Amino acid sequence: GQQVMQIPQYQHVQEGEDFTTYCNSSTTLSNIQWYKQRPGGHPVFLIQLVKSGEVKKQKRLTFQFGEAKKNSSLHITATQTTDVGTYFCAGPGGSGGGNKLTFGTGTQLKVEL
Amino acid sequence: GAGVSQSPSNKVTEKGKDVELRCDPISGHTALYWYRQSLGQGLEFLIYFQGNSAPDKSGLPSDRFSAERTGGSVSTLTIQRTQQEDSAVYLCASSLSWGLGNTIYFGEGSWLTVV
Repeated sequence: GQQVMQIPQYQHVQEGEDFTTYCNSSTTLSNIQWYKQRPGGHPVFLIQLVKSGEVKKQKRLTFQFGEAKKNSSLHITATQTTDVGTYFCAGPGGSGGGNKLTFGTGTQLKVEL
Repeated sequence: GAGVSQSPSNKVTEKGKDVELRCDPISGHTALYWYRQSLGQGLEFLIYFQGNSAPDKSGLPSDRFSAERTGGSVSTLTIQRTQQEDSAVYLCASSLSWGLGNTIYFGEGSWLTVV
């Protein structure tokens, strides 16, 4: 079945450093979504990418969808303590169509002062 | 409602007992999803309701798990004869429609502990 892997699994950075998480799917994706989950919280939608090679920015966050639509990345510039959490990518997966998402393995970000 | 509402927020049950977890999706959302997240792990798809169509049950881990959605709104996830490995956060989510690309909104989750 479809697999969505993310690297790294964990990342510790000093506040102000940059951070990048990479997402790789075993299958081509029609779109990819990114979610953030704060410690003890639930996943919250960040953004969706649809087009091959698409790049979107949200303040210090830059999201990219690969040309082959099988990979994606999230880059955070000058991390802050509020960025702490686990970042998941997710893509439509499995049979049956619809919006059923397969989530990536997640990257847990810790930011130290 | 304003957001996806789940109850109970926390449940401790004895091994072998049945549990019911409830989800009230955002008003007007036609698609409803159940995911499971074990401690420190990713999200595991369980079941997906899309409008009046038959649900996609392909993620249910065993026949002890079942879910229903009444009146196209509230959903109940039932786990029979609970086992310790069922301990996890059960997350419900909904989206306006079931088409590709619809934003999924998660509830706070029901934390289940089987002792």
